[in-house]
Amino acid sequence: DTEVTQTPKHLVMGMTNKKSLKCEQHMGHRAMYWYKQKAKKPPELMFVYSYEKLSINESVPSRFSPECPNSSLLNLHLHALQPEDSALYLCASSRVAGGIYNEQFFGPGTRLTVL
Amino acid sequence: GQQLNQSPQSMFIQEGEDVSMNCTSSSIFNTWLWYKQDPGEGPVLLIALYKAGELTSNGRLTAQFGITRKDSFLNISASIPSDVGIYFCAGQMLTQFYFGTGTSLTVIP
Repeated sequence: DTEVTQTPKHLVMGMTNKKSLKCEQHMGHRAMYWYKQKAKKPPELMFVYSYEKLSINESVPSRFSPECPNSSLLNLHLHALQPEDSALYLCASSRVAGGIYNEQFFGPGTRLTVL
Repeated sequence: GQQLNQSPQSMFIQEGEDVSMNCTSSSIFNTWLWYKQDPGEGPVLLIALYKAGELTSNGRLTAQFGITRKDSFLNISASIPSDVGIYFCAGQMLTQFYFGTGTSLTVIP
């Protein structure tokens, strides 16, 4: 099973709303990622969790707040977003073996629209 | 971040033709990955390469990890309409994966 699941599939929110994106994998992967992707562009890394600890924050605005409750779950909490934050948000996970990060698998994404 | 140069940017081909695309970088990577993405969906992993010089096939797809570890190519043989999409390469270094700019493939029936 190489499945990463994400919910919701679509999300529309106002600039004053608080919402959360959820991601789950059961492959035993110990690295999980959040990416932001604009149309026809490559994914842009936002956050990396390694062994449930935040290891990389690519200077993401504080209105995006990640959380890794356990090795299978990854959340992205959203608050006071701007219209330019509208994008496809992708979660991914990768296996870690001997300190090497291999084979990253993506979820289907959440299409976020900020009004 | 690391820049991966992917070419061509777009391709328009007839069904049945072969396709070739490549990625180059100024950095050395431990792993090269190739993904296909359909509109509104997440990227799907096609092929993973782990050793310099490695040549790997997955059905009609063949990919190679360059000897210098700074490049990779992907070939698709006998293209079919469902091959349409955007193809991304990605290089892995430490905890991060760095993506190419993408190749948009259109297959004309």
